[in-house]
Amino acid sequence: AQSVTQLDSQVPVFEEAPVELRCNYSSSVSVYLFWYVQYPNQGLQLLLKYLSGSTLVKGINGFEAEFNKSQTSFHLRKPSVHISDTAEYFCASTRQGAQKLVFGQGTRLTINP
Amino acid sequence: KAGVTQTPRYLIKTRGQQVTLSCSPISGHRSVSWYQQTPGQGLQFLFEYFSETQRNKGNFPGRFSGRQFSNSRSEMNVSTLELGDSALYLCASSLGQVPTEAFFGQGTRLTVV
Repeated sequence: AQSVTQLDSQVPVFEEAPVELRCNYSSSVSVYLFWYVQYPNQGLQLLLKYLSGSTLVKGINGFEAEFNKSQTSFHLRKPSVHISDTAEYFCASTRQGAQKLVFGQGTRLTINP
Repeated sequence: KAGVTQTPRYLIKTRGQQVTLSCSPISGHRSVSWYQQTPGQGLQFLFEYFSETQRNKGNFPGRFSGRQFSNSRSEMNVSTLELGDSALYLCASSLGQVPTEAFFGQGTRLTVV
């Protein structure tokens, strides 16, 4: 069965510092991976996606992620965070033939000035 | 292009009542999925509709049902509400025929008292 594990429930960082949010997935078949961000009282906004091709994926707001098949990971990174990046981040996966997203439990990113 | 629209944004219902939530997908999108988000369980898949047919269903009781109309708009219904049904209900739309990103609405916050 598909599953997604986000290794950190909360990540505090200082403004302008780099950040990495970790995500591991499990699937016995080809998998497609996504990172979403959720601001308070809002829906989910897509940051980036990996469907195929280059394993380094660039998204919006300066975020990027690297698909690592051997380590079954899809970690999200940003070289320098801003206060406005404070939000909850969700890693999700789906697979060919499936019509649903499987989400991790989320990582709350807190930016301290 | 208009995004995914969910109505209403907030609802308060009494235990035992029923409720209907509405979702209008992005124009041209034929797949609509529903998710329940709670602090304890995170984001869980309810069901997905494509061209008026339910293609996949999550592990929820039969009190949760949905439908999709010919214009791709979707509704979900919850009957005999329980306190545990209090959650943010998110609708997502996608093209639906190949794995691709899902676009989420703002959600409907349901509170059962």
